[in-house]
Amino acid sequence: DIQMTQSPSSLSASVGDRVTITCRASQGVRNYVAWFQQKPGKAPKSLIYFASSLRDGVPSRFSGSGSGTDFTLTISSLQAEDFATYSCQQYDSYPLTFGGGTKVEI
Amino acid sequence: QVQLVQSGAEVKKPGASVKVSCKASGYTFSTYGMTWVRQAPGLGLEWMGWISAYKGHTNYAQKLQGRVTLTTDTSTSTAYMELRSLGSDDTGVYYCARGTAEADYWGQGTLVTVSS
Repeated sequence: DIQMTQSPSSLSASVGDRVTITCRASQGVRNYVAWFQQKPGKAPKSLIYFASSLRDGVPSRFSGSGSGTDFTLTISSLQAEDFATYSCQQYDSYPLTFGGGTKVEI
Repeated sequence: QVQLVQSGAEVKKPGASVKVSCKASGYTFSTYGMTWVRQAPGLGLEWMGWISAYKGHTNYAQKLQGRVTLTTDTSTSTAYMELRSLGSDDTGVYYCARGTAEADYWGQGTLVTVSS
């Protein structure tokens, strides 16, 4: 199984900060990485697919990059509604696997 | 708009089975597969498997093979996930999500509690 290792596991930030979350795959997954946002008690929300493609309706302050084994999710200017847990997922091969999550706190 | 509405919370005893439904609306059900993902309390997301809505092809996580069955009913645009021989480590929230690889729309989740 491909392991997706996220870092950091948590971070503290302020409104307006630039935030970067990384995800490393244990083997190459080409560009088949998605990013999700999850708030407590809620379902995950898809933000990005194919490493850097933004879902319709997702604010442009979110961006994704990377290919192969190293990927990043960047929030260019953190907003109050962005405090949540972010998870990456590879869908290059089965079983599909998720990272452990990064909790973004105030 | 696309909506996936899941059935309500369940409490089951160890060894029992649970069947969760996911009713889709706002798109042509047969043109997308459905993925199931679960999340144990305080932990990350775990892929369970997917099913193609049209032909019913399935792909299951090996660790759940033999205990999980995914089905669909195209007449009601509903997907189902049945998990058998429940144990305490099956406690968590179960999600359906549209797609067979990366999922775009997710259901609201169904809490399954396994307790004696």
